[in-house]
Amino acid sequence: DIQMTQSPSVLSASVGDRVTLNCKASQNINKYLNWYQQKLGEAPKLLIYNTNNLQTGIPSRFSGSGSGTDYTLTISSLQPEDVATYFCFQHNSWPTFGAGTKLELK
Amino acid sequence: QIQLVQSGPELKKPGESLKISCKASGYTFTDYAMQWVKQAPGKGLQYMGWINTQTGKPTYADDFKERFVFSLETSASTAYLQINNLKNEDTATYFCASARGMAYWGQGTLVTVSS
Repeated sequence: DIQMTQSPSVLSASVGDRVTLNCKASQNINKYLNWYQQKLGEAPKLLIYNTNNLQTGIPSRFSGSGSGTDYTLTISSLQPEDVATYFCFQHNSWPTFGAGTKLELK
Repeated sequence: QIQLVQSGPELKKPGESLKISCKASGYTFTDYAMQWVKQAPGKGLQYMGWINTQTGKPTYADDFKERFVFSLETSASTAYLQINNLKNEDTATYFCASARGMAYWGQGTLVTVSS
């Protein structure tokens, strides 16, 4: 199976900061990479699909990029409601999730 | 609007079985596979597999090939996850998810296995 490594595991940032979350695959996943946001006690929510496609209804401060094995989720201006854990997910081959990045307010 | 509504929390003893339901509405049930995801307490997400809602064929991740069964009641737009011979390590929240990119998720069903 493809291993997905997310970094950092915990990120502290201030409101208004530009935030970057990373996800690295153990092999090329051909941009078949989704990002999900999970708030405490809730189901995950799809933010970005296939690397850079913003899901309907998701604020434009979220964006995704990457190729090959390296992918990034960027929040252009962090808002208090963005506090959550973010998971990457590859579906190029047997689907696998990353371990998550917990985003906290500083 | 698209909704996936799961059955309520379960408290079971080791060795027992359970069946979780996931009722879909707001779309044609057979348009998308139904996928299942496990989340142990305080842990990340683990992909369990999917069931083809047109053929009923399930596909399981290696960790879920032995005691786990995906099934459908297509006439009721409902998918099921059955877990047999429950173990303590099955304690988790189980999610169903559907549509392209797993865009829609159920609210999760908390399963607690304890003697």
